[in-house]
Amino acid sequence: DAMVIQNPRYQVTQFGKPVTLSCSQTLNHNVMYWYQQKSSQAPKLLFHYYDKDFNNEADTPDNFQSRRPNTSFCFLDIRSPGLGDAAMYLCATSREGTGTNEQFFGPGTRLTVL
Amino acid sequence: AQSVTQLGSHVSVSEGALVLLRCNYSSSVPPYLFWYVQYPNQGLQLLLKYTSAATLVKGINGFEAEFKKSETSFHLTKPSAHMSDAAEYFCAVSDILTGGGNKLTFGTGTQLKVEL
Repeated sequence: DAMVIQNPRYQVTQFGKPVTLSCSQTLNHNVMYWYQQKSSQAPKLLFHYYDKDFNNEADTPDNFQSRRPNTSFCFLDIRSPGLGDAAMYLCATSREGTGTNEQFFGPGTRLTVL
Repeated sequence: AQSVTQLGSHVSVSEGALVLLRCNYSSSVPPYLFWYVQYPNQGLQLLLKYTSAATLVKGINGFEAEFKKSETSFHLTKPSAHMSDAAEYFCAVSDILTGGGNKLTFGTGTQLKVEL
C-alpha cells in the first residue's frame, strides 16, 4: 500500500544534541510537509517542500532545518533541541494539481528531550 | 488567513448515541474543509473533506459533515457512536501557499469519549 513512513516512531535526545527525523513516501507526491504537534495542541506547520523548493513558515525557529534529497525522502533536523521542542512531529504529503488539497499523514515521531 | 473554531474540547456520548462535533470556519473565499481523526500516538487520518462539490459529505467509518455557508459551519456527525470512535478529532481549513502546496490550519481539537 502506498503510504507515508516516519522513522523512528519514538526518539529520545539530550538537551542540545542534534537530532534528525526521517520521512519517506511511496505516493510519489510532489509536496512534503513537516508539522509540529505539542501535547494537547493542534498540529502547526513548520515548513514544506514543493518539489525541491523549500518554504519556511515565518515563525519557525532557526533551530529547525529540513532536507529533501529526492522525491521520496524528507528529513527534519533539529540543531540544538531544547526542552520546548519535545513534541510529536508529523510528516505529510500532497499532490499539487489534484484540486482537493488533501494531505496524507505519516504516523508521527514522538520526540523526547532530556 | 483562514481559520476554524471547534466548540467543545471534550465531548462525551454513550455508545449508540448521536455524535456531533462542531466546527465553524472563517474564510473570505469558498474554503476547502477537512475532518481528521487522531488516535493516541498516531498520525492524522482523513475522515472526510469538503471541496465545494456537494454540501453533504460522507466519509469513512459512518461519519458525515454538512457544509452550511449561511452558518459558516462544517459540523461532523455520526448517527450511532461506537467505542472505537473514541479519539481526537480535528477540523481543518486549507490555504494555498505561495510557492505551491497548501497549508492546513487546524482547530484546537475535540476529544471524543464513548461510554458504555
